[in-house]
Amino acid sequence: NFMLTQPHSVSESPGKTVTISCTRSSGSIATDYVQWYQQRPGSSPTSVIYEDNQRPSGVPDRFSGSIDTSSNSASLTISGLKTEDEADYYCHSYDSTNQVFGGGTKLTVL
Amino acid sequence: QVQLVESGGGVVQPGRSLRLSCVASGFTFGSYAMHWVRQAPGKGLEWVTVISYDGSDIDYADSVKGRFTISRDNSKNTVYVQMNSLRVEDTAEYYCARGNDYRPDYWGQGTLVTVSS
Repeated sequence: NFMLTQPHSVSESPGKTVTISCTRSSGSIATDYVQWYQQRPGSSPTSVIYEDNQRPSGVPDRFSGSIDTSSNSASLTISGLKTEDEADYYCHSYDSTNQVFGGGTKLTVL
Repeated sequence: QVQLVESGGGVVQPGRSLRLSCVASGFTFGSYAMHWVRQAPGKGLEWVTVISYDGSDIDYADSVKGRFTISRDNSKNTVYVQMNSLRVEDTAEYYCARGNDYRPDYWGQGTLVTVSS
């Protein structure tokens, strides 16, 4: 089984850009799609990126996703940060029989 | 609008069983795979199990394999997870989520399961 590793926390100021990484321990990051979920305190997770770089309807284009095969990682980038973006963010991927979430990254917008 | 309502959580002793249910509305239930994902208090998300749209394909996390059983009744728009031989480490908020076979896309509000003596 593989693991997805995320930084425990990141912080940035309103209006700035932040990038959260997600590194896959084994297997190619390009083989299986990566998803990103936002979870605000006390709420259920919601999808912000699916299939590496696709935004669900209603998610602003300030959110973008990408993958980097050289580092075997995926990234979530949030531009024009707003205080409402403060939340936990989880990456997710899968293989033939298993699905895995990263440990989560707490984004603080201060 | 899409709605997923979980129920069946509660306090249970180690070794006992519990069945969670999730009733769906606002979409064509029989066209989607359904997942269960859990979150221990103060911890991250852990994928638990998935069942395909017609119930023909099922996968489990290693941590629950042999103890949990997922099923669905498309006539009732409901997905279930039967949890047997519960352990203290199964304590978590359990979310059902709509999706396809390899990812959840829309999540319910969750139901809390506490395993404690």
